Amino acid sequence: RKEVEQDPGPFNVPEGATVAFNCTYSNSASQSFFWYRQDCRKEPKLLMSVYSSGNEDGRFTAQLNRASQYISLLIRDSKLSDSATYLCVVIRPSGTYKYIFGTGTRLKVLA
Amino acid sequence: DTGVSQNPRHKITKRGQNVTFRCDPISEHNRLYWYRQTLGQGPEFLTYFQNEAQLEKSRLLSDRFSAERPKGSFSTLEIQRTEQGDSAMYLCASSKGLAETQYFGPGTRLLVL
Repeated sequence: RKEVEQDPGPFNVPEGATVAFNCTYSNSASQSFFWYRQDCRKEPKLLMSVYSSGNEDGRFTAQLNRASQYISLLIRDSKLSDSATYLCVVIRPSGTYKYIFGTGTRLKVLA
Repeated sequence: DTGVSQNPRHKITKRGQNVTFRCDPISEHNRLYWYRQTLGQGPEFLTYFQNEAQLEKSRLLSDRFSAERPKGSFSTLEIQRTEQGDSAMYLCASSKGLAETQYFGPGTRLLVL
């Protein structure tokens, strides 16, 4: 089993829709989590950190479910500009290198 | 601009040639990371520096790959005797702390013919 798994998609949704992605992780001791956004042929950029109590930034909500070992990203009122790949990152609790990237979930918002 | 920069942005080379990429991290960041990314995949970790010390290398990093960060500032990644399978985007990132947010450079896109 991979340390971090994401549904690669693509998720095709109409403008204005609400869409949610999950990312599962295998190490129950993982402590920190992030969502990055990556546009086609560009570098990943931090979208938001994921806090234990859940957090919201405008139309984006990130949540952590420790019992089931997954994080989620909810996008409300999707815009065309939200079309991108969303990468989840899980921080390993030990070792010198800690960042584990998922393969990404591709989102296409359609007009 | 105080972000992470990478040069060159694109590189086309013939199989068997050596190539070198450069990464300049954000100035106050002492941690620097190299990744490789192919289409449809997330970034794959290659190696990691804390200041000038190379602390970890992935098994993906064959003997043909070498990375340096001689003065704890910029870093270079060299690929010797390139193969077509080395064609990918090579990303550099930096961070202040070990589990803190990484900031990525624009990447170097390598094509080996």
